[in-house]
Amino acid sequence: AQTVTQSQPEMSVQEAETVTLSCTYDTSESNYYLFWYKQPPSRQMILVIRQEAYKQQNATENRFSVNFQKAAKSFSLKISDSQLGDTAMYFCACLMEYGNKLVFGAGTILRVKS
Amino acid sequence: EPEVTQTPSHQVTQMGQEVILRCVPISNHLYFYWYRQILGQKVEFLVSFYNNEISEKSEIFDDQFSVERPDGSNFTLKIRSTKLEDSAMYFCASSEALSDQSPWRQLFFGEGSRLTVL
Repeated sequence: AQTVTQSQPEMSVQEAETVTLSCTYDTSESNYYLFWYKQPPSRQMILVIRQEAYKQQNATENRFSVNFQKAAKSFSLKISDSQLGDTAMYFCACLMEYGNKLVFGAGTILRVKS
Repeated sequence: EPEVTQTPSHQVTQMGQEVILRCVPISNHLYFYWYRQILGQKVEFLVSFYNNEISEKSEIFDDQFSVERPDGSNFTLKIRSTKLEDSAMYFCASSEALSDQSPWRQLFFGEGSRLTVL
């Protein structure tokens, strides 16, 4: 069985600063995918970034990047130049290759302050 | 941009009543899902649906739950006799088919339906 753990229930960051959200996971699968989803207040969850477990290079999407440490089963999200619109709940999730089921962490509420 | 839409956004019901939550997935998607999040807890997988049948379900998805695609656009979750512990946010999601070039699916989520059972 897969598990995903987000140990930070809430985080705050000043606008334009950098923040890192932590995520650890456990799986016995060799091929899997890791995701960060963002859920703004009263809005849909949207995909922020994904990482294929077989790739060593960390994924990057504009201001969002990950630090993927496969041996440590760690998958943190770094948000650079934080913006007010980044305020949201962030979920880390894991998916087996060809799988149906996303396994989510409990989420981290990120508040960006002006 | 295409979106997954869910109705109602919030429903309050009495224990023992039947509830139907509705979802309109993105039109060219073939896989449909329901997830739920009890307040303060993790988002949990309930069920996936493909080709008019359940492809996978979790332990949570017991006989009280059913899913249906009654027409070409809607995907519904029915809870036959609601219990207090069914109070949660229910998320619908949809995705395209897998391929050899894409062994993972990007799920597109709706805004959720909040169910409160009294």
